[in-house]
Amino acid sequence: RKEVEQDPGPFNVPEGATVAFNCTYSNSASQSFFWYRQDCRKEPKLLMSVYSSGNEDGRFTAQLNRASQYISLLIRDSKLSDSATYLCVVNKGEGGATNKLIFGTGTLLAVQP
Amino acid sequence: DTEVTQTPKHLVMGMTNKKSLKCEQHMGHRAMYWYKQKAKKPPELMFVYSYEKLSINESVPSRFSPECPNSSLLNLHLHALQPEDSALYLCASSQGSRGAKGEKLFFGSGTQLSVL
Repeated sequence: RKEVEQDPGPFNVPEGATVAFNCTYSNSASQSFFWYRQDCRKEPKLLMSVYSSGNEDGRFTAQLNRASQYISLLIRDSKLSDSATYLCVVNKGEGGATNKLIFGTGTLLAVQP
Repeated sequence: DTEVTQTPKHLVMGMTNKKSLKCEQHMGHRAMYWYKQKAKKPPELMFVYSYEKLSINESVPSRFSPECPNSSLLNLHLHALQPEDSALYLCASSQGSRGAKGEKLFFGSGTQLSVL
């Protein structure tokens, strides 16, 4: 089993749609969770951290389910500019490991006009 | 604009060449990272420096040699690379709080490396 798994997509959605991505992780000791966004041929950029109680930033909502070891990202009212690859990122959780973050394979979102 | 600066943006080198990738940040971060990313794949961790000391080496071949001259600079020295080493090399930094398990990473725009 991969340490961090995502549906690679692509997710093709019309503008204005709501879309959700899920991500599962294998290490129950993981403590830090993030969603990054990566545009084609660009570097990954932090979209949001994911907190236990769930958190929202504008049109984006992140949820964490520790019992089932999955993280979700919900995007409401999709814009053309949301088209990108969304990377789920989880820390390794090993004792003493300095900030070892593991990236999922990414989910490709294409928002259509 | 990213606050982590990488140079060069593009590099083409032969298998016998020696070259270096450079990374600089002025955010006062004490942890710096090298990641390698192949097309349509996620970034893969290569090295982590914490307080200028190498703390993680993900079993990277010795033809890649990292160096951290000071808290703002990170280099990756390349020697005798193979064509399969062609990839996007990303530098990142984080605050480096001692004991932190999972800090936000700030990435540079990367060096696209082609090995001929």
